[in-house]
Amino acid sequence: QKEVEQNSGPLSVPEGAIASLNCTYSDRGSQSFFWYRQYSGKSPELIMSIYSNGDKEDGRFTAQLNKASQYVSLLIRDSQPSDSATYLCAVNIMPQAGTALIFGKGTTLSVSS
Amino acid sequence: DAGITQSPRYKITETGRQVTLMCHQTWSHSYMFWYRQDLGHGLRLIYYSAAADITDKGEVPDGYVVSRSKTENFPLTLESATRSQTSVYFCASANYEQYFGPGTRLTVT
Repeated sequence: QKEVEQNSGPLSVPEGAIASLNCTYSDRGSQSFFWYRQYSGKSPELIMSIYSNGDKEDGRFTAQLNKASQYVSLLIRDSQPSDSATYLCAVNIMPQAGTALIFGKGTTLSVSS
Repeated sequence: DAGITQSPRYKITETGRQVTLMCHQTWSHSYMFWYRQDLGHGLRLIYYSAAADITDKGEVPDGYVVSRSKTENFPLTLESATRSQTSVYFCASANYEQYFGPGTRLTVT
């Protein structure tokens, strides 16, 4: 059974702080990794993708991947109240989209002003 | 506007009725997916399609039927709705990265 694990939270951080969200996955053959943000009552929105070991930065977001440890994380710098949402980690075991994604259950982030 | 749309956005139906949820994308993505999202279970894949006339089961396909006669459409049919199928249904499309539609909230009474 392929699994993606996330701490459900809630993770509470003050405005301006760094929020760190973590995800582990069970299938060592996993090849691509995604972070989605989901606001309450809305659909998941893709915010980051990462395919190779190391860091990938996009604005205030940094995704980190360590395939040896089967670990992927998302850092949000200068957290804003608008970042309050559930963050879903998703893993694809194949390089193409055909096999779909395995999702974690999500971590709820709350940023207080 | 280009994108992925779902209809209806909200639906209430009775047990035993047939219900079809529609999904339409204008990106010409090859792949399309149906997920359901339930509290405590997260997102679970129901069916997916790699191209027109090619579909395959996901994690929770029982009670659902799909078809894909055109690349842009991927309807999901509940043949005889049950209360356990009350959920939020998301359609997604991809050539590589998946993008989600706005969802359909379905209640089976």
